[in-house]
Amino acid sequence: RKEVEQDPGPFNVPEGATVAFNCTYSNSASQSFFWYRQDCRKEPKLLMSVYSSGNEDGRFTAQLNRASQYISLLIRDSKLSDSATYLCVVGTGSGNTPLVFGKGTRLSVIA
Amino acid sequence: DTAVSQTPKYLVTQMGNDKSIKCEQNLGHDTMYWYKQDSKKFLKIMFSYNNKELIINETVPNRFSPKSPDKAHLNLHINSLELGDSAVYFCASSHGAGGYNEQFFGPGTRLTVL
Repeated sequence: RKEVEQDPGPFNVPEGATVAFNCTYSNSASQSFFWYRQDCRKEPKLLMSVYSSGNEDGRFTAQLNRASQYISLLIRDSKLSDSATYLCVVGTGSGNTPLVFGKGTRLSVIA
Repeated sequence: DTAVSQTPKYLVTQMGNDKSIKCEQNLGHDTMYWYKQDSKKFLKIMFSYNNKELIINETVPNRFSPKSPDKAHLNLHINSLELGDSAVYFCASSHGAGGYNEQFFGPGTRLTVL
């Protein structure tokens, strides 16, 4: 089983739609969780950290379910500029253990 | 000002050659990383340095040798390049090595081995 698994997509959605991505992780010792965004031929950039209680940043909501070992990202009112690949990232919190990146889920928002 | 910079941005070379990629960060971070993103877009850690000390060394061929002359720089030297080394190499940095903090990535170096 891969350490961090995501549906690769692509998810093709119209502007204004709500879209949700899920990610599952295998290491039950994981302590830190993130969503990164990577535009085509660009570097990854942090979108948001994911906290146990769930967190929201504008149109973006992240949820963590430790019991089921999955993380979700909800995007409301999709914009064309949201088109990108969304990477689920998981870490143990230890400096000697690397963050593990999922392969990413590709989103295309269509006018 | 660019926070994490890499040079060169593109590198095309023949099999068997030796090449280096340089990385610099001006964020004052104490931890730096090298990642490889292959054609399948899978981003995988190669090395991590904290205060110039190697703390993560994944199963990378010993043809790859990182070097951190100071906290702001982490260079990557690759000997005897192979076709399979073709990928995008990203440098990144963070404050602290604990895995809780945001990692800032450089723009990447696209390496093509012919």
